[in-house]
Amino acid sequence: AQSVTQLGSHVSVSEGAMVLLRCNYSSSVPPYLFWYVQYPNQGLQLLLKYTSAATLVKGINGFEAEFKKSETSFHLTKPSAHMSDAAEYFCAVSLNQAGTALIFGKGTTLSVSS
Amino acid sequence: DAGVIQSPRHEVTEMGQEVTLRCKPISGHDYLFWYRQTMMRGLELLIYFNNNVPIDDSGMPEDRFSAKMPNASFSTLKIQPSEPRDSAVYFCASSSIRDWAGELFFGEGSRLTVL
Repeated sequence: AQSVTQLGSHVSVSEGAMVLLRCNYSSSVPPYLFWYVQYPNQGLQLLLKYTSAATLVKGINGFEAEFKKSETSFHLTKPSAHMSDAAEYFCAVSLNQAGTALIFGKGTTLSVSS
Repeated sequence: DAGVIQSPRHEVTEMGQEVTLRCKPISGHDYLFWYRQTMMRGLELLIYFNNNVPIDDSGMPEDRFSAKMPNASFSTLKIQPSEPRDSAVYFCASSSIRDWAGELFFGEGSRLTVL
């Protein structure tokens, strides 16, 4: 069975500082991996996804994530945080197979202070 | 194009009452998912459909929960009778096999409070 673990339920950074949100996955087969963002009172929207092409994936709003098979990790980074990045971020995994559902981590709340 | 549409956005009800949540997926999408979000358990997959047929309902908590998809443009999640522990935000999401790389498109959610 697949699963993801997000380390740290809450991360706080200053505006302009680097953002690092951690995600480790468990999967018996090569996975698809995703980061989603949720703003208050909204649904989730896709930030970026890894589907076995390039290991460094670039997403929207300046975020990127690197797939490291040896570490079973897919950490999300952004060089410089902006106030508008404050939200909840979810890592998710699915089987590398059409038609399977996503399994989400518990989420990490990112706070950005001025 | 309209996104995934859920109704109601907010529902407050009393324990024992029946609750019906509704979802209209994106036109042309052939997968529909119901998730539940709580502080304690995060986002849990309840059930998902492919071409209106339930594929996996192992996440449905108990017999009080049921979901249907009578056609490609409509799904319901029903709780009968409701209990305070059912209080959560319920999300519907849809996706297309033609664009499959796992991306789901989420509605804005239905916030349920059971008193």
